[in-house]
Amino acid sequence: QSALTQPPSASGSPGQSVTISCTGTSSDVGGYNYVSWYQQHPGKAPKLMIYEVSKRPSGVPDRFSGSKSGNTASLTVSGLQAEDEADYYCSSYAGSNSYVFGIGTKVTVL
Amino acid sequence: EVQLVESGGGLVQPGGSLRLSCAASGFIFSSYVMSWVRQAPGKGPEWVSGISGSGGSTYYADSVKGRFTISRDNSKKTLYLQMNSLRAEDTAVYYCAKRAVDTAAFDIWGQGTVVTVSS
Repeated sequence: QSALTQPPSASGSPGQSVTISCTGTSSDVGGYNYVSWYQQHPGKAPKLMIYEVSKRPSGVPDRFSGSKSGNTASLTVSGLQAEDEADYYCSSYAGSNSYVFGIGTKVTVL
Repeated sequence: EVQLVESGGGLVQPGGSLRLSCAASGFIFSSYVMSWVRQAPGKGPEWVSGISGSGGSTYYADSVKGRFTISRDNSKKTLYLQMNSLRAEDTAVYYCAKRAVDTAAFDIWGQGTVVTVSS
């Protein structure tokens, strides 16, 4: 399984929006509606932000939203805040009880 | 409070073995699929292995198949990862993660334990 492709970096000013893409194949992202997104601050464990493409766990602000088209999923962070500065990783179910993660995108709040 | 606490990491020589543990609390451990996910320095996470709630079914990434063994003791609410024939490329922070109910996402993660394979 190859890692999912993400842009290395993205940035925006406070209050603006940033969108991160996550490209896989028909065997993972395109084949299942089980794309999830994780936020990771330095030295911390990943935190689930989006699951099943666009669902938010309890406690995650509605500024975070997800979508998918074909083999590419996207995470949008609206109304950027300083605390949103972190690494973001996508993940997809890849069949046979396996999972694949993305290479990560560093989001900078300017 | 739902919590996962890993232990057992350390420095080991290539070809050596290590056993990681993950103690769970705050939820019905036996009801959930559990996984190990690792993250090499500066890299994205990599799913390593998973195990069903009963422990009867196990799953492995190709990169560790035949070398790593996942297991669980539901009476002790503890997840394990036995790692044999360790290689330099196994160096990473190892996280245990709880799979959310009825979906394919990890909603609870431990703080991680560091495994370094070096001579």
